[in-house]
Amino acid sequence: GESVGLHLPTLSVQEGDNSIINCAYSNSASDYFIWYKQESGKGPQFIIDIRSNMDKRQGQRVTVLLNKTVKHLSLQIAATQPGDSAVYFCAEINTGTASKLTFGTGTRLQVTL
Amino acid sequence: NAGVTQTPKFQVLKTGQSMTLQCAQDMNHNSMYWYRQDPGMGLRLIYYSASEGTTDKGEVPNGYNVSRLNKREFSLRLESAAPSQTSVYFCASSPTSGGPPYEQYFGPGTRLTVT
Repeated sequence: GESVGLHLPTLSVQEGDNSIINCAYSNSASDYFIWYKQESGKGPQFIIDIRSNMDKRQGQRVTVLLNKTVKHLSLQIAATQPGDSAVYFCAEINTGTASKLTFGTGTRLQVTL
Repeated sequence: NAGVTQTPKFQVLKTGQSMTLQCAQDMNHNSMYWYRQDPGMGLRLIYYSASEGTTDKGEVPNGYNVSRLNKREFSLRLESAAPSQTSVYFCASSPTSGGPPYEQYFGPGTRLTVT
């Protein structure tokens, strides 16, 4: 079936460095993607989204890149801080079929001091 | 605004017991969802309610029932709990289902253990 997955289950980054979290998606018909952050013991929080007609979108300290050719999504966090430690996962949807969001399994980001 | 609230936060059940997980949202959203989250797996949709008065099965509905009590509240019931239902349960809401915006807002979760 269609699925959303991640390359790395755990990413360790030093405070102040940039983080890059990757996501591969298999449904070529997906045209809208969301990155969520989930801190320990909490529910997922929206970070940033991107539509398939865009290659890049920037937020505050975060950038999402979309490569439709290889069906790859990445989340870049600039100047990673201890508060960025969390599980990050992507979600996809084919808006044309009014389907539901499909979520990836997540990557744990550990920020070391 | 409290956003999406869930009760209880933690629950331990014995096999065969029943319970209802409560969820409420104060964002005037039309659509609400129940997910379960298991280690190493993504969020899996149990049931959803596109609008008040409607409910539909998601990916893993077996062993669960839901009630959309009103626009604000969406409850999840386990009639006869099984150890396989040990999980963290999340309720979410979105302005609409099947149309923009697609972002879902999540509650803090209920950690359920079935022994």
